[in-house]
Amino acid sequence: AAGVIQSPRHLIKEKRETATLKCYPIPRHDTVYWYQQGPGQDPQFLISFYEKMQSDKGSIPDRFSAQQFSDYHSELNMSSLELGDSALYFCASSFSGTLNTGELFFGEGSRLTVL
Amino acid sequence: KQEVTQIPAALSVPEGENLVLNCSFTDSAIYNLQWFRQDPGKGLTSLLLIQSSQREQTSGRLNASLDKSSGRSTLYIAASQPGDSATYLCAAMDSSYKLIFGSGTRLLVRP
Repeated sequence: AAGVIQSPRHLIKEKRETATLKCYPIPRHDTVYWYQQGPGQDPQFLISFYEKMQSDKGSIPDRFSAQQFSDYHSELNMSSLELGDSALYFCASSFSGTLNTGELFFGEGSRLTVL
Repeated sequence: KQEVTQIPAALSVPEGENLVLNCSFTDSAIYNLQWFRQDPGKGLTSLLLIQSSQREQTSGRLNASLDKSSGRSTLYIAASQPGDSATYLCAAMDSSYKLIFGSGTRLLVRP
């Protein structure tokens, strides 16, 4: 069965550079979530999209932006990178229809290292 | 604001033992509660999902219970194996479908 696809899996950037992470949800899933997990930390909610509109916002820095496209894939753009942005970034998707159980399906994550 | 706490933070047991991981949450108005497994540096693997109207879910050697009134969930692992060694995370989903994670329990099952 198709899963949530994230790319790239690993990314190394310098301070003050820009990075873009991509997420391809499970087919027919209309909702995408982004989470950030720092070293030794639990995942923290960043932002979510439903039907290409932002549906909720968490602890996402102003330097970060995200969007969901017409094919439901999502991109997380991070600018002016800081050392503290080094983390594992997870994308999750879900289906909001009548059979919605609230189950989120997570990708393998994109590991960002800022040097 | 929902807060999720997991106890213990770390656990080391010999192979074959039955064990219980605990999760508590402060706001009982949850949509569901999910248990995940995470291996070092890896992604999140969904183990069990309990809807707010349910009391427990079972999958193989895993059983998760939910008591909304007391704000608690437990994950029971029967006959533990070294391959069960990982970090186990519980997460409560709020009414906006946002998951709030606990800090996890790091489990080591010794051969």
